[in-house]
Amino acid sequence: AQKITQTQPGMFVQEKEAVTLDCTYDTSDPSYGLFWYKQPSSGEMIFLIYQGSYDQQNATEGRYSLNFQKARKSANLVISASQLGDSAMYFCAMREGTSGTYKYIFGTGTRLKVLA
Amino acid sequence: KAGVTQTPRYLIKTRGQQVTLSCSPISGHRSVSWYQQTPGQGLQFLFEYFSETQRNKGNFPGRFSGRQFSNSRSEMNVSTLELGDSALYLCASRGLNTEAFFGQGTRLTVV
Repeated sequence: AQKITQTQPGMFVQEKEAVTLDCTYDTSDPSYGLFWYKQPSSGEMIFLIYQGSYDQQNATEGRYSLNFQKARKSANLVISASQLGDSAMYFCAMREGTSGTYKYIFGTGTRLKVLA
Repeated sequence: KAGVTQTPRYLIKTRGQQVTLSCSPISGHRSVSWYQQTPGQGLQFLFEYFSETQRNKGNFPGRFSGRQFSNSRSEMNVSTLELGDSALYLCASRGLNTEAFFGQGTRLTVV
């Protein structure tokens, strides 16, 4: 069974609008971390935002925010005021395990295209 | 602070050959993990090294191996290359309680 599910293979958004990229996860571990990474065409994975399973508030980093709904096991990424440079693949990832034995599991990604 | 450096960036090999990829983590990071990214399978975890010891291993055949040196630099080796090994190989380094920082990857093409 998929541990990280990204159901949107591709998304379009108009420049300056907000967009939500979906991510659901599955784990029985009470301690886990959720991440979003951006991968432009150059290939490098760029860290965007992190949410710990025990964090009470939703994480925010500039124009990025994570809509964390623990009971629903979802961790959607919200990008506000989209820019052309936001066009890229976006991966949701979950970190399981304990320090020293962490394992990252990635979703299949969502390709975001920002339209001018 | 320098980021994660992977060399080479691009590589073309023929079937049956072997290849070694290198990853230099961020200074102070002792954990290095490797991932294979293909259009069909997405990002798949290969293995993780911490202080020269393999801590975790993904579901890959024994042709895929790695090691980590005392300076935390890591190498990944693939022997008897197959066409299906063509992929982007990403390395990530991590501090004790930090997120994983990725390099730009090595794009391997097997012909």
